[in-house]
Amino acid sequence: GAGVSQTPSNKVTEKGKYVELRCDPISGHTALYWYRQSLGQGPEFLIYFQGTGAADDSGLPNDRFFAVRPEGSVSTLKIQRTERGDSAVYLCASSFAPGETQYFGPGTRLLVL
Amino acid sequence: GESVGLHLPTLSVQEGDNSIINCAYSNSASDYFIWYKQESGKGPQFIIDIRSNMDKRQGQRVTVLLNKTVKHLSLQIAATQPGDSAVYFCAESRQGYSTLTFGKGTMLLVSP
Repeated sequence: GAGVSQTPSNKVTEKGKYVELRCDPISGHTALYWYRQSLGQGPEFLIYFQGTGAADDSGLPNDRFFAVRPEGSVSTLKIQRTERGDSAVYLCASSFAPGETQYFGPGTRLLVL
Repeated sequence: GESVGLHLPTLSVQEGDNSIINCAYSNSASDYFIWYKQESGKGPQFIIDIRSNMDKRQGQRVTVLLNKTVKHLSLQIAATQPGDSAVYFCAESRQGYSTLTFGKGTMLLVSP
């Protein structure tokens, strides 16, 4: 079956620009998670959705980061006024229910020049 | 703050050997532990998980051991193959929280 998909796979942007990263979870999974992974590090939690609502956004680093999941399926992570320090791999994961096994997508590699 | 960490950053083994990757955690409230494998340029791939009411769990060629007394987790890979070469992460979560906290990872290098 189809796994978690993320688009684009790579994104290069300039400092100050706005970017959107998309995640399509496994069909039927109600929980969706965003993580960020810097080179040589483990993924770090950003935000988690249960259905359409953000159940926990405590990992978002600042108010330039925002995510939505309007229909309880696809999610978009939005980053405003990008900074060079935002360069990382942004990973999305989904699980059938909260607390169940999380399955990850391939990630979007964001490079801010 | 409390975190999940790994003892060894790199582990080199010969094909056919058994591999053991270790992980220490400090949060005594953690009750769910997962091992992920991450190949270069890919997302983490689920390997095996274990809940705190168990000490051992086996999968295909993999075994996870949990020692709650010393807050230690290990992943054993039997008959390691070149395709097992990757970075391995342990992650933990706790009851009431759905998010995962990852360690820094151990790179496993398997020589033919």
